[in-house]
Amino acid sequence: EAGVAQSPRYKIIEKRQSVAFWCNPISGHATLYWYQQILGQGPKLLIQFQNNGVVDDSQLPKDRFSAERLKGVDSTLKIQPAKLEDSAVYLCASSLKAGGTHSEAETQYFGPGTRLLVL
Amino acid sequence: AQKITQTQPGMFVQEKEAVTLDCTYDTSDQSYGLFWYKQPSSGEMIFLIYQGSYDEQNATEGRYSLNFQKARKSANLVISASQLGDSAMYFCAMRHTGGGNKLTFGTGTQLKVEL
Repeated sequence: EAGVAQSPRYKIIEKRQSVAFWCNPISGHATLYWYQQILGQGPKLLIQFQNNGVVDDSQLPKDRFSAERLKGVDSTLKIQPAKLEDSAVYLCASSLKAGGTHSEAETQYFGPGTRLLVL
Repeated sequence: AQKITQTQPGMFVQEKEAVTLDCTYDTSDQSYGLFWYKQPSSGEMIFLIYQGSYDEQNATEGRYSLNFQKARKSANLVISASQLGDSAMYFCAMRHTGGGNKLTFGTGTQLKVEL
């Protein structure tokens, strides 16, 4: 079974430029997540989708970040304009479901991440 | 608010020895889930093991086991028979119950396995 795919793996941009990341979840996984991991920290959730609807975007800086999952499968995360503090690894994850019970069906599987450096 | 604390920024262990990575958590929820992930230098987060708060037995997955002490709010990861390939960053995480499936991560422990 193929894992979560992300591209690009690395990106270097200058501040105020825009950048987009792509994620394709594990086949059949209804729930998709984007996390930001700053160096030396654990990942922080930016946005969670259930199919093509947003479940949680409370920590997404909406003035510059946007994300979509139009057909309920793959997703893009965009930053426009980028700031120096956006330098981080952007991780995409997916899970079979995100119901109210705790079970292994809610386990999140991560992609390889995109390392972004903003100069 | 939920919080995960990992107090060991770095750990060393000899190959073939066992090692325990500490994790404590804070939550007012009665029902929650705890996870451990491994992050090699390549960057991918690899799922290792899961423990539900109502599970009566400690979770085990191959060489990984989770020492779950609910009253102490601790969920330590035990790696038996360490291998060189176990050298990586290890994160403890807790699943929120308030809608969605949000994970809160600790700051991680860098494990180095030595010959």
